[in-house]
Amino acid sequence: KAGVTQTPRYLIKTRGQQVTLSCSPISGHRSVSWYQQTPGQGLQFLFEYFSETQRNKGNFPGRFSGRQFSNSRSEMNVSTLELGDSALYLCASSYLGEQFFGPGTRLTVL
Amino acid sequence: AQRVTQPEKLLSVFKGAPVELKCNYSYSGSPELFWYVQYSRQRLQLLLRHISRESIKGFTADLNKGETSFHLKKPFAQEEDSAMYYCALSRYNTDKLIFGTGTRLQVFP
Repeated sequence: KAGVTQTPRYLIKTRGQQVTLSCSPISGHRSVSWYQQTPGQGLQFLFEYFSETQRNKGNFPGRFSGRQFSNSRSEMNVSTLELGDSALYLCASSYLGEQFFGPGTRLTVL
Repeated sequence: AQRVTQPEKLLSVFKGAPVELKCNYSYSGSPELFWYVQYSRQRLQLLLRHISRESIKGFTADLNKGETSFHLKKPFAQEEDSAMYYCALSRYNTDKLIFGTGTRLQVFP
C-alpha cells in the first residue's frame, strides 16, 4: 500500500497570507490527524478527523482550520499567517490505533 | 493536565551498551502509551505500544502505572538505533497523540 502523502512538500509564504495543506491517507484509513512540529514546541496536536467529522481539536487559534472529504482526504488551512506558524506540518492516518505519518509539509513564513 | 515528559534531550552510548530512554506521563484516566521513532531523513513511525506488549528491534517498554512511567529499554544498543525517540500517549478510542519533547539517541561504534 502507498503511504500517507502530503502536498506540497515545501511552501514559502509571507505574513498575512493564507495557506492550504493537503493530506491523502493510506487507502482504507478513515481517520486523519494533523500535527505541528517546531524546534521550540515539539510535536503538537492540531486536529483529528474521522468520517468527515472533527473528533478532537488541539489548542490552536481559530486561524487554524481543517476538513475531511468523503474519500478521507484531508486539508488544513491557516489564515493570516504569522512568523510563528513556520513549522513542519505532519499528517497521519490511523488504523486500529496505529498512526502512519506522512513526510510533512515544511511551511516557512517570511 | 495531560503531559508526557522525556527528561533527556540527548543520550549517547557505545555499541553493545544497555539503553534506557525515560518517559513519565501525567493523565487522569487510563491512557494508551506509545514509542515513536524517527530515523535520519525518514518518517515518524511507531516503534511499539504498551497494549501489544511486543519487543520490536530488541526494544521493550513496560507501563508502570504506579510510577506513571513507560521507559524504553534495549539491552545491547546497535549503531542503527541512532535516531530521535518520542514517547506519546492517547486516550483509548481517539487518535489524539500527546508527545514528549523527544530524546536523541546516539550510538557510537
